Amino acid sequence: GQQLNQSPQSMFIQEGEDVSMNCTSSSIFNTWLWYKQDPGEGPVLLIALYKAGELTSNGRLTAQFGTTRKDSFLNISASIPSDVGIYFCAGQYYFGNEKLTFGTGTRLTIIP
Amino acid sequence: EAQVTQNPRYLITVTGKKLTVTCSQNMNHEYMSWYRQDPGLGLRQIYYSMNVEATDKGDVPEGYKVSRKEKRNFPLILESPSPNQTSLYFCASSRTGNGQPQHFGDGTRLSIL
Repeated sequence: GQQLNQSPQSMFIQEGEDVSMNCTSSSIFNTWLWYKQDPGEGPVLLIALYKAGELTSNGRLTAQFGTTRKDSFLNISASIPSDVGIYFCAGQYYFGNEKLTFGTGTRLTIIP
Repeated sequence: EAQVTQNPRYLITVTGKKLTVTCSQNMNHEYMSWYRQDPGLGLRQIYYSMNVEATDKGDVPEGYKVSRKEKRNFPLILESPSPNQTSLYFCASSRTGNGQPQHFGDGTRLSIL
């Protein structure tokens, strides 16, 4: 099955730093979703993107739907301790193929 | 409270003993889905359902069955579990299957010995 290439796999940063991560796919998507997963819990939606080129913010988080429809980016500004967790991108084509494909995740750790 | 409920949360069982993981949502969502999560592989979709009596294979359907007889329930069935199905499983639902964000349950950790 298809997997999205998500990078980096892990990040170690200091509190207050900005964070960037991205996902790329070999095929186009009509929707990109970004999720965060805390230990012992299910993923929680952060941002949903529905249009190529779209740039959407949710507080300190900003995500973009790449113009080629094959990539997406997530930025976190001024990181805080509660940002620790695993971040996943997910893409869906639908229009007859409603599978949702997830990236392999980016584990964010904040160094004291 | 809007939620997706999975049961059991934890299960240790043996190879070949049929098991069912239940999933129920109270949001009247049309789309429901099952994923497994393994280290380094992220979440991989097992099966999804666009609506009652409509199910389709995801990326890793082998060894699993599902049914959607009612809108709110989407059980995952392992007819003859094997150790390679030891994993963390998540059920999710969304209003429709056309790009709508999915709401996830809290997960079921299965260990097949």
